[in-house]
Amino acid sequence: DTEVTQTPKHLVMGMTNKKSLKCEQHMGHRAMYWYKQKAKKPPELMFVYSYEKLSINESVPSRFSPECPNSSLLNLHLHALQPEDSALYLCASSPYPAGPGNNEQFFGPGTRLTVL
Amino acid sequence: SQQGEEDPQALSIQEGENATMNCSYKTSINNLQWYRQNSGRGLVHLILIRSNEREKHSGRLRVTLDTSKKSSSLLITASRAADTASYFCATDSPNAGGTSYGKLTFGQGTILTVHP
Repeated sequence: DTEVTQTPKHLVMGMTNKKSLKCEQHMGHRAMYWYKQKAKKPPELMFVYSYEKLSINESVPSRFSPECPNSSLLNLHLHALQPEDSALYLCASSPYPAGPGNNEQFFGPGTRLTVL
Repeated sequence: SQQGEEDPQALSIQEGENATMNCSYKTSINNLQWYRQNSGRGLVHLILIRSNEREKHSGRLRVTLDTSKKSSSLLITASRAADTASYFCATDSPNAGGTSYGKLTFGQGTILTVHP
């Protein structure tokens, strides 16, 4: 299995809702990432998990809460989001968290989030 | 923050022509990677070139790296309509210990359109 899966594909939520995005990989990768991407912009890194521990938080607002229950799963819990949080949320994984030569990332197809 | 600048921002060519995209960056790197993204979907890793390499090939792709100029180029030869996508360069930079922070910094991207 050489893919990263993300569910749901699309999500519409109100500003008072609580929802979660899910990401899964079975490639044995030990680093997992959440990115946010607005239209016609590059992906912006949100969080990095290395060996199931949060290693990088790019000053993301607390209304986004990541969770890594095990080495294959990565969740992003959403609460009290704002309309400007509407974007494509991408999950990625890579074989090793560090090391200059082998950290290519494998991306999932993304969740298209709309906040009303 | 995005350290990569890509040019052109958009490129439109006919099938069979070659497409060249350029990427410049500001800080030292461990490696530079190129990704493709079809509209509204996840990114696909194309090629990785390490800081001590100058040129790399993969099928119809040729990547060059000039660390003295902090720039890279991606050449797609004999382009096809299926190559229509956004192309991003991404850099992996060393931390104080010389290994990776474990994150990529993406450039702004080039939108390539190949007309049949």
